[in-house]
This record gives sequence, structure tokens and C-alpha cells, in this order.
Amino acid sequence: KQEVTQIPAALSVPEGENLVLNCSFTDSAIYNLQWFRQDPGKGLTSLLLIQSSQREQTSGRLNASLDKSSGRSTLYIAASQPGDSATYLCAVNTGGFKTIFGAGTRLFVKA
Amino acid sequence: EAGVAQSPRYKIIEKRQSVAFWCNPISGHATLYWYQQILGQGPKLLIQFQNNGVVDDSQLPKDRFSAERLKGVDSTLKIQPAKLEDSAVYLCASSLGTIRGTTNTGELFFGEGSRLTVL
Repeated sequence: KQEVTQIPAALSVPEGENLVLNCSFTDSAIYNLQWFRQDPGKGLTSLLLIQSSQREQTSGRLNASLDKSSGRSTLYIAASQPGDSATYLCAVNTGGFKTIFGAGTRLFVKA
Repeated sequence: EAGVAQSPRYKIIEKRQSVAFWCNPISGHATLYWYQQILGQGPKLLIQFQNNGVVDDSQLPKDRFSAERLKGVDSTLKIQPAKLEDSAVYLCASSLGTIRGTTNTGELFFGEGSRLTVL
């Protein structure tokens, strides 16, 4: 059974800091991995999607990496801003398009 | 391109009452999902449709929850009777293509969610 874990559960950093959010999964047989952002009271916004054959994806200040063999993905945020404050969720698609979510990392960027 | 539409955004009911949520996926998306997100937790899949057929409803509490997607487009999720522990955000998502389609990236697109409070 696929399980997805995100560490840390919460993170507070000063503005401008580079940071890394971690996601681990127990079964390496995945179809893809997707990172989402969720603002309070809102739905999920897709940030990056990495296919199982890819190692990383980049969008602006965000870079996501995938290491299937070790069951890990990281989301790197460069030069963090207060507007980056949100909950970041990692989701693993196990094939058959069943997607399992982690509990998320709550990020607070202090001005 | 219009995103995933959900309504209502908020609903407050008393326990043992019933409630229904509606979702209209992105046009052309064959797969539709309903997730339940309890405060502080990640979304949990309740039911997954492929066109108008159910692919996975293993975590749907079938004694009180039901869902349908009659014409393979929009969908309704119903809870009857509601319990206090059903208080959560109900998220609808859609993705393009078929389960075994090689061109389908499997990317999920979510609506804004429907927040349910059961008193």
C-alpha cells in the first residue's frame, strides 16, 4: 500500500531564504508525482508534475526533483517571499491514476 | 479554458440532515475524482469515475455517501445522513484521457472545494 509522508509538517523562514520541502513514498512503482499549493480556504493549485521517467522539473523559482529508487522527491523554493506562504502538498500517482496525498507542509515566510 | 467548477462553496447543516455537492470538470476530461480533506490532513480519495463508470470507491462510506456521474460530465456527491465527522472540505478534481492512455500525463486539476460544517 502506497504511503506518502511530508517533512517537515510546518516551516517558518525569513524572506529571501532558499528552502527545501521533502516528500517520501513507500512504493517506487509510480506513474508521476505532483506538487500542489493550497492557500487557506482554497482548492489545490498544481505547481509541478514530474513523470516517472523524469528526474526534475522547474518553473520559475521552483524546482522539483524525483528519485524513484529512494522513494523521495524534493521541492526547492529559491529566494522565498511572503506570498509563498501556503501549504504545499505532494501527491503520488500510483498508476490507474489513483493519487495518494501527503499531509502537507505548512510554510510561513516572514517579511 | 474554464477550470473545475464546484458548488456550493460553503454549507452548514445539522447532523442527520442531507447535503449534495456538485462538480463540473474541465471540458473533455474523462476522469473525475471526489476527495475529502479534513482540517490539517491531505486529501483522501472518496471516489473516482472514468467517464460515467466508477473506477474506485473503496474509501467511500457507502452507508451514507453516494455519488453519480450519469452523463459522463458533471457529478454529484451526496451525504445522507450527515455526521459530525463529515465536516471537511470536499474537493473535486479532473484529469484528461483514459487510465491506460499513454499520452495522458495524469495531471490533476482541482476546483475551489465545498466546505461542509456539520453541527
